[in-house]
Amino acid sequence: QLVLTQSPSASASLGASVKLTCTLSSGHSSYAIAWHQQQPEKGPRYLMKVNGDGSHRKGDGIPNRFSGFSSGAERYLTISSLQSEDEADYYCQTWGNGNWVFGGGTKLTVL
Amino acid sequence: QLQLQESGPGLVKPSETLSLTCTASGGSISSSSYYWGWIRQPPGKGLEWIGSIYYSGSTYYNPSLKSRVTISGDTSKNQFSLKVTSVTAADTAVYYCATHGDSDYWGQGTLVTVSS
Repeated sequence: QLVLTQSPSASASLGASVKLTCTLSSGHSSYAIAWHQQQPEKGPRYLMKVNGDGSHRKGDGIPNRFSGFSSGAERYLTISSLQSEDEADYYCQTWGNGNWVFGGGTKLTVL
Repeated sequence: QLQLQESGPGLVKPSETLSLTCTASGGSISSSSYYWGWIRQPPGKGLEWIGSIYYSGSTYYNPSLKSRVTISGDTSKNQFSLKVTSVTAADTAVYYCATHGDSDYWGQGTLVTVSS
């Protein structure tokens, strides 16, 4: 079964960097994923796709502070030079056989 | 740039049918470049995929909702729609339409409350 696992929470200081992790279930380590950001009281915004080979493709207008990479079954979203507006929920998503799957989301707190 | 806009009633009575429409602009739902989908988010919870439709008309549904959900497309209006039958309070959520392709896009979402 295709499942994405995310840590429920993460925190980092203003101006620092943070790495969020999304883990693909066994047998699905080659799958690409997408990262979405949801700021408080707003709808989700697409950030980027991260492929199994580690390449990533960002959405329109996404700052260079956001990047993605992969290692095995893990897909990462790194945010550098954290700003207050980066405090948000971050969801990973994948797809297979027409079905979409979302991770449970990580709540990022900027200290 | 592709834009999506959800529309439909904000209040639905229990046991009735929830109906929403998503209107796309800046791109065609007839394009093979995208899947078109519905996602919902109950208050204070995460995102739940409801189902999606491809340009060919093929539909895909979350197994947990499949018996109550229908997604269809109207290429003449560049819209796709969601119907959820026999709703209960558990169906209260913000409903989003979205695309998946080379790049993904989201609508702003619409709150649907199930209450008598």
